[in-house]
Amino acid sequence: DQQVKQNSPSLSVQEGRISILNCDYTNSMFDYFLWYKKYPAEGPTFLISISSIKDKNEDGRFTVFLNKSAKHLSLHIVPSQPGDSAVYFCAARVMYNNNDMRFGAGTRLTVKP
Amino acid sequence: DAGVTQSPTHLIKTRGQHVTLRCSPISGHKSVSWYQQVLGQGPQFIFQYYEKEERGRGNFPDRFSARQFPNYSSELNVNALLLGDSALYLCASSLYPGSYNEQFFGPGTRLTVL
Repeated sequence: DQQVKQNSPSLSVQEGRISILNCDYTNSMFDYFLWYKKYPAEGPTFLISISSIKDKNEDGRFTVFLNKSAKHLSLHIVPSQPGDSAVYFCAARVMYNNNDMRFGAGTRLTVKP
Repeated sequence: DAGVTQSPTHLIKTRGQHVTLRCSPISGHKSVSWYQQVLGQGPQFIFQYYEKEERGRGNFPDRFSARQFPNYSSELNVNALLLGDSALYLCASSLYPGSYNEQFFGPGTRLTVL
């Protein structure tokens, strides 16, 4: 029962270009969405989040877009840098349940110099 | 300041054995959550503890148990290990439950069950 899906296991982008990572969800009961970044041998690190009442949130080079009607979330990184190379996880919190968070399987981003 | 620490980093066990994994949260953090990440999948929620009480439990069998100590460190115990328990076990701490934008993960414990 995978309710948060990241259908692209990997993505390769040239330095300076835009990286777009996608995430789809099937449960309308999610009220908060997050992106995490994970480097090898480290735990995931919180990157950016968005509430279900918004459609966009921006933090520096990172922007998250939420399309509720399509149940689709995307993370844009502009411009991409080699240090952005990592695995990115999309996660969603079940409404009114602080301890129930569902993760996607992750997308490995490689930014080439 | 030390981040979330977990021990051991790697562990090899055989089927049927018992394992205890340990987690020390960031100083001042009172909430600890445990996740299981099987290879090729995202983390899956196992337990959340806050102020030494269980606040949530994911869809895991009773072989999995946890506790939180007065210093807010935590242990995850798994009994009667199965091959399918092989995974990276992540611990995360935050000030309060649900503070996901301020939740910090440890590097994990890699458990291999043979």
